[in-house]
Amino acid sequence: TQLLEQSPQFLSIQEGENLTVYCNSSSVFSSLQWYRQEPGEGPVLLVTVVTGGEVKKLKRLTFQFGDARKDSSLHITAAQPGDTGLYLCAGPNYGGSQGNLIFGKGTKLSVKP
Amino acid sequence: ETGVTQTPRHLVMGMTNKKSLKCEQHLGHNAMYWYKQSAKKPLELMFVYSLEERVENNSVPSRFSPECPNSSHLFLHLHTLQPEDSALYLCASSQVYRGNQPQHFGDGTRLSIL
Repeated sequence: TQLLEQSPQFLSIQEGENLTVYCNSSSVFSSLQWYRQEPGEGPVLLVTVVTGGEVKKLKRLTFQFGDARKDSSLHITAAQPGDTGLYLCAGPNYGGSQGNLIFGKGTKLSVKP
Repeated sequence: ETGVTQTPRHLVMGMTNKKSLKCEQHLGHNAMYWYKQSAKKPLELMFVYSLEERVENNSVPSRFSPECPNSSHLFLHLHTLQPEDSALYLCASSQVYRGNQPQHFGDGTRLSIL
């Protein structure tokens, strides 16, 4: 069974700090997706990483896919209160050709002004 | 309207009631999903419909009954629920039924069982 482990589970920081959250598995994934879920809303896709070693940037957010495609990280520079939310990673269950997404439990981030 | 819309946003019901959750997508997608989101657990996939046919039923109790009358609408019929069924129920859609497809979520229905 493929599992995605996310760490830390909770993170509370001050505005302006940097942070990194992780998504790890013992299984290889053909791709990984990152979502952010703000309080009272559904998850929204941030990025999809596909190639081992890939780095993608979205303003202050930097996403990296591990070389072996078993892990990914999300780094936020100079966090702002608007970054508060639940960060979820997800990957295809059956190698990506057909199947469902499996999700990690998420990292709940709180950025205080 | 665009995106994925879920109604109602909040629902409180007794264990003997019957209610339905509604999901509508305006994205022209072919696949629709129901998920359950509980505290301290990953998103749990409940049902998947692709081109209006059910393709996945993840051992969900029969007190949950999905319906997909067309590619834009998805319902979740509820009856004789248990307290442990209290959760956020999320609907999502994707262009096609593929594991590497991004999914677009609604804002969910917060369900509380008394």
